[in-house]
Amino acid sequence: DQQVKQNSPSLSVQEGRISILNCDYTNSMFDYFLWYKKYPAEGPTFLISISSIKDKNEDGRFTVFLNKSAKHLSLHIVPSQPGDSAVYFCAPRQNRRGTYKYIFGTGTRLKVLA
Amino acid sequence: AAGVIQSPRHLIKEKRETATLKCYPIPRHDTVYWYQQGPGQDPQFLISFYEKMQSDKGSIPDRFSAQQFSDYHSELNMSSLELGDSALYFCASSLGRGGRYGYTFGSGTRLTVV
Repeated sequence: DQQVKQNSPSLSVQEGRISILNCDYTNSMFDYFLWYKKYPAEGPTFLISISSIKDKNEDGRFTVFLNKSAKHLSLHIVPSQPGDSAVYFCAPRQNRRGTYKYIFGTGTRLKVLA
Repeated sequence: AAGVIQSPRHLIKEKRETATLKCYPIPRHDTVYWYQQGPGQDPQFLISFYEKMQSDKGSIPDRFSAQQFSDYHSELNMSSLELGDSALYFCASSLGRGGRYGYTFGSGTRLTVV
């Protein structure tokens, strides 16, 4: 039972354009959502997050949108740069009486074309 | 700033051999998590430790065991290795049980079983 789905395994975008990465989840108890970025042969690194009480969080070129009713979040990167080429993981947080656990999606491989 | 250190970076073992992976968390982090990422798959949670005690268990095979030591480093012991154990093994650490704002990942150990 996959609680977190990133239905696009890969995405190619031209440099300077917008990249939109999507994530759908099934567990309405997730209270915090993280995006991780992963380069080959490196561990995932934290990129941006959003609390379930918000619907938008922006950090520079990166914006995350949360639609709780649709159980959907998306990461927008604008303008996209070649250095953004990586695998992006959506990781919602499950909170059980103060113990947190992150469930990782399957990842979307973004390729930004120069 | 110090990051999560994993050793070795690469490891090649034969079937039925044993392997030990080590993880050194960020200083003052008291929680360690182990993830396994097979080829083309999303990271799967194996096990976690908080203050040297197992705090959560995921899809860790019975052939694997892990522990966290008094200096908070952790070791993942894998016995009777199978070809399917070939994967990238990530360790992550956080301050506090569960990592309220996410984990910091190491660069991973790539295990190849031949």
